[in-house]
Amino acid sequence: AQKVTQAQTEISVVEKEDVTLDCVYETRDTTYYLFWYKQPPSGELVFLIRRNSFDEQNEISGRYSWNFQKSTSSFNFTITASQVVDSAVYFCALREVDSSYKLIFGSGTRLLVRP
Amino acid sequence: ETGVTQTPRHLVMGMTNKKSLKCEQHLGHNAMYWYKQSAKKPLELMFVYSLEERVENNSVPSRFSPECPNSSHLFLHLHTLQPEDSALYLCASSQASDRESTWQGYTFGSGTRLTVV
Repeated sequence: AQKVTQAQTEISVVEKEDVTLDCVYETRDTTYYLFWYKQPPSGELVFLIRRNSFDEQNEISGRYSWNFQKSTSSFNFTITASQVVDSAVYFCALREVDSSYKLIFGSGTRLLVRP
Repeated sequence: ETGVTQTPRHLVMGMTNKKSLKCEQHLGHNAMYWYKQSAKKPLELMFVYSLEERVENNSVPSRFSPECPNSSHLFLHLHTLQPEDSALYLCASSQASDRESTWQGYTFGSGTRLTVV
């Protein structure tokens, strides 16, 4: 069965610190898609990144970077030099190919960046 | 402006009331979803509509009744709810595409915060 685990419920850091949010997934499919979403206090989930299972290249976008390790079924998210505006709940999600476009979400990690 | 608009943003209702949540998108998407977000629980998929047909109903109690009159609108009709139904209800839309490699994921609304008293 497909499952996404975000073991860190809450993380608190001081501004400018680096922080890594962990995501571990389970799937029987060989082809699947992984996502990260950010949920600020306003409520809507904002798309951050999508990664295909056949593309193991890590990605960097500004202060954000993602480390996809297929061997350990992990898709971790690092924020470098964190800022107060990064405070939000972050969700990792998995979609298998034959899942009717259904995303399975982890329980989320609440990140608090203190000034 | 997220492209997916949900109304109302907040709703307080008694257990005997009937109310409806509304979701609207003008992104040209043809699949729409209802998710429930309760405190300290994963997002729970409730319903999936693809091309205006319900393709998934995740064992949701009958007191929740979805309606998708067209590809731009999705409703969630509520009646005789329980206090444990209090949650943030999120609507999302996406393009249901045969080309897996181009699927861009969901666009979410800001949600309706529902409190059942």
